[in-house]
Amino acid sequence: GIQVEQSPPDLILQEGANSTLRCNFSDSVNNLQWFHQNPWGQLINLFYIPSGTKQNGRLSATTVATERYSLLYISSSQTTDSGVYFCAVERDYGGSQGNLIFGKGTKLSVKP
Amino acid sequence: NAGVTQTPKFRILKIGQSMTLQCTQDMNHNYMYWYRQDPGMGLKLIYYSVGAGITDKGEVPNGYNVSRSTTEDFPLRLELAAPSQTSVYFCASSYSMRGSGGELFFGEGSRLTVL
Repeated sequence: GIQVEQSPPDLILQEGANSTLRCNFSDSVNNLQWFHQNPWGQLINLFYIPSGTKQNGRLSATTVATERYSLLYISSSQTTDSGVYFCAVERDYGGSQGNLIFGKGTKLSVKP
Repeated sequence: NAGVTQTPKFRILKIGQSMTLQCTQDMNHNYMYWYRQDPGMGLKLIYYSVGAGITDKGEVPNGYNVSRSTTEDFPLRLELAAPSQTSVYFCASSYSMRGSGGELFFGEGSRLTVL
């Protein structure tokens, strides 16, 4: 099956710093999403981005499908950005099953 | 606008007991999913549904059953609970499987412990 690798596994930032999280995947995808899981366990969808670039406030994401990676940028980080960031993909085999494969996540801690 | 609602939030089961995790969504989404998350790991798909009356297995379906009698509800049943089913369970929904509307919306999770 498709492999999803996220890096770095852990990241500690000072408030106000910028960061880049990476997601590598091993096959062509037709679905790629970024999620934030806050310290209380709640999962929030950040981006649906199988290709191209999107921005939402301080967050932006870029997926280069031909090179099989996606990047999540966090600018001017805040303590509320702390949590785990997951990348999830579905392999493109011509159909769609809704079977998103999740990476193990990047745990981000933003210190005040 | 409640979104995706799961109950219960916490439950302790004894080995061999059965239970049902309830999930309901009020966004009129066609697609619903059940995931489990083990400590320090990402989520794994248990079952999904593309509409009322239609369900299919995901990556880790053994030990679970689902039904989808209405668009809103997608309960997950655990039969003969085992310690390996100790996990946090998330229900999710989306309008479509990909493209515009493919974003997943998650419930708050249900923490299940089997002793």
